[in-house]
Amino acid sequence: IAGITQAPTSQILAAGRRMTLRCTQDMRHNAMYWYRQDLGLGLRLIHYSNTAGTTGKGEVPDGYSVSRANTDDFPLTLASAVPSQTSVYFCASSGDPGTGELFFGEGSRLTVL
Amino acid sequence: GQNIDQPTEMTATEGAIVQINCTYQTSGFNGLFWYQQHAGEAPTFLSYNVLDGLEEKGRFSSFLSRSKGYSYLLLKELQMKDSASYLCAVMDSNYQLIWGAGTKLIIKP
Repeated sequence: IAGITQAPTSQILAAGRRMTLRCTQDMRHNAMYWYRQDLGLGLRLIHYSNTAGTTGKGEVPDGYSVSRANTDDFPLTLASAVPSQTSVYFCASSGDPGTGELFFGEGSRLTVL
Repeated sequence: GQNIDQPTEMTATEGAIVQINCTYQTSGFNGLFWYQQHAGEAPTFLSYNVLDGLEEKGRFSSFLSRSKGYSYLLLKELQMKDSASYLCAVMDSNYQLIWGAGTKLIIKP
């Protein structure tokens, strides 16, 4: 059972480039989330989706977009990367919105130069 | 604003007991969660409290006092593999998780 799979694991990107981080889950969870984790800060929510076809903005949505065409996939796109987007990105899912037991992917380490 | 406070780092000895505290100020409360995160890995769920009191799960216990905005995670019989960061998170009135910065626990032999 894979759970949640993220790709790529690590990426170095030039500023101004477009980048999509992929996230796929096989648990048929309704809710999915994208977080960024920076040293000294708690996980910060970028975007979320309570169910396929719907998305919402989290705490730090600027510069990022998401889509939820189906239950399993929840890609995160950086339209024009900037150095402040250097971070570790985690995709997570939960059975239902409002459930605090999240299942996380292994993370994508992104460096923007 | 919403705020979760926990110590940045703690050190304990193998076989001992350690208590990691978490205080919170949030807009509403729909539960408090503890996660474990080993270095370079994903967070994993440890425990959940929504009512006051102690929840025990093996070597790990979590306590909640809603009136004080306070929780702690108690780890007993510490093992080297318990070296990790422990994240405290509160679910607010919008059912969004607000996360603390985490407590790095270092276990020494």
